[in-house]
Amino acid sequence: KAGVTQTPRYLIKTRGQQVTLSCSPISGHRSVSWYQQTPGQGLQFLFEYFSETQRNKGNFPGRFSGRQFSNSRSEMNVSTLELGDSALYLCASSRVGTAGTSSTDTQYFGPGTRLTVL
Amino acid sequence: AQSVAQPEDQVNVAEGNPLTVKCTYSVSGNPYLFWYVQYPNRGLQFLLKYITGDNLVKGSYGFEAEFNKSQTSFHLKKPSALVSDSALYFCAVRGTVSSNTGKLIFGQGTTLQVKP
Repeated sequence: KAGVTQTPRYLIKTRGQQVTLSCSPISGHRSVSWYQQTPGQGLQFLFEYFSETQRNKGNFPGRFSGRQFSNSRSEMNVSTLELGDSALYLCASSRVGTAGTSSTDTQYFGPGTRLTVL
Repeated sequence: AQSVAQPEDQVNVAEGNPLTVKCTYSVSGNPYLFWYVQYPNRGLQFLLKYITGDNLVKGSYGFEAEFNKSQTSFHLKKPSALVSDSALYFCAVRGTVSSNTGKLIFGQGTTLQVKP
């Protein structure tokens, strides 16, 4: 079974631009979560989608947004890029995610998209 | 608030020796605990998880972890380290209180260096 795929793997943008990252979950997985990884802040949760609905959101500004499609594929968008947005963006998928109470599902991660903002 | 602490930035061990990577947590309710490993320029790979039951959990690549509720710890262990185990290791917790569900809270990571 194919793993989580993310495209593109590398991106270079300039301040003020916007960017869209894509994530295809493992077949049969309906939950997609996004995380930002930086040397200073470590791994931080951005948001989780299940059945095209955002179910959880981390403490990030509104410039960070996402969506999920009917085939469970997900995209995240960052508008008005800042230098501090340079990071590795990781997508993770799980079968059902959460539904009110915490799920025991394992999240499986993709290879990430390395975003560099100049 | 939920939190995870990995008190050691780096752990050095000789090949063939046992290794331990430490993790302590703070969470409301019963915790779900996870260990992941990250190799350079790669995503996170799942190693093992504790949900309930036996306090000793066995995972991939010969790793195991011991859940200790009284000490709120979930240390990762391996009886005999390999050079190929050298990587960045993350402990993560998912809470079971409704306001904390879904997201994983990660520790800062511990770099494991196994020397030949």
